[in-house]
Amino acid sequence: DIQMTQSPSSLSASVGDRVTITCRASQDIANYLAWYQQKPGKVPNLLIYAASSLQSGVPSRFSGSGSGTDFTLTITSLQPEDVATYYCQRYNGAPITFGQGTRLEIK
Amino acid sequence: EVQLVESGGGLVQPGRSLRLSCTTSGFTFGDYAMTWVRQAPGKGLEWVGFIRNKPYGGTAEYAASVKGRFTISRDDSKSIAYLQMNSLKTEDTAVYYCTRRAVYLDYWGQGTLVTVSS
Repeated sequence: DIQMTQSPSSLSASVGDRVTITCRASQDIANYLAWYQQKPGKVPNLLIYAASSLQSGVPSRFSGSGSGTDFTLTITSLQPEDVATYYCQRYNGAPITFGQGTRLEIK
Repeated sequence: EVQLVESGGGLVQPGRSLRLSCTTSGFTFGDYAMTWVRQAPGKGLEWVGFIRNKPYGGTAEYAASVKGRFTISRDDSKSIAYLQMNSLKTEDTAVYYCTRRAVYLDYWGQGTLVTVSS
C-alpha cells in the first residue's frame, strides 16, 4: 500500500505567519491528493483537492501545491480560527490512505 | 443543501454485529459513490471502504483491517448507505463518518460513535 507521511506532526506559529505542512507519498500519486482540516471536536472539512484546487467556500489563504510524491499545504497568513489538525489523503485507487495528521497551534 | 446523517452507533460487545445507516438528502444519491471513514478516540482518520454507484458497478472496496467482517451497501431508492459490521473487535471502537464520493470527500456526516466493549 502507498503510505502518506506528513511533517511536521505538530507545529506552533503566530497569527499572521506563513505556515507550511508537507505530505510525502511512498509512490507517485500524480495529483490525486486532498487536504482536510479538522477543528477540535468537529467533523473534517475538505480544503484542497487535486493537489491544488481550492474547495468552494474555503478562504483563499489556503493553497496546495505539488505532484508525484511531494505535496504542500500553505496558509499564507495564519488566523486564530485555523487551529486544527490537518490531514492529507491520497485517492488514486483503493485502499485510500490518510497521512497521520499535523496539529497546528497558535503561539 | 447536502446533508448526511449517520445513525445506528452505540455500545456493543466484542464479536457482535451492528449496522450503521447514512441517510442523505440534497443531492442525487445515485450519481455518487459513498465512503465510510472512522476515527478512533484521539487518533487520526482511517478509511474503511467505499461503494461505487450503479453506473460503475455498485461494487465495494474495503480496508484490510475490516475486509471480510464489514459490508457496505446502498439503497438508491431511499438515498441511504449502510455499513454492516460483523465480528466486532475492541479496536473497531471509533466515530464512523459517512462521506460523499470515493475520491476526495467533499461532504461529511456528523459521525456516529461505535464502542466495542464487554
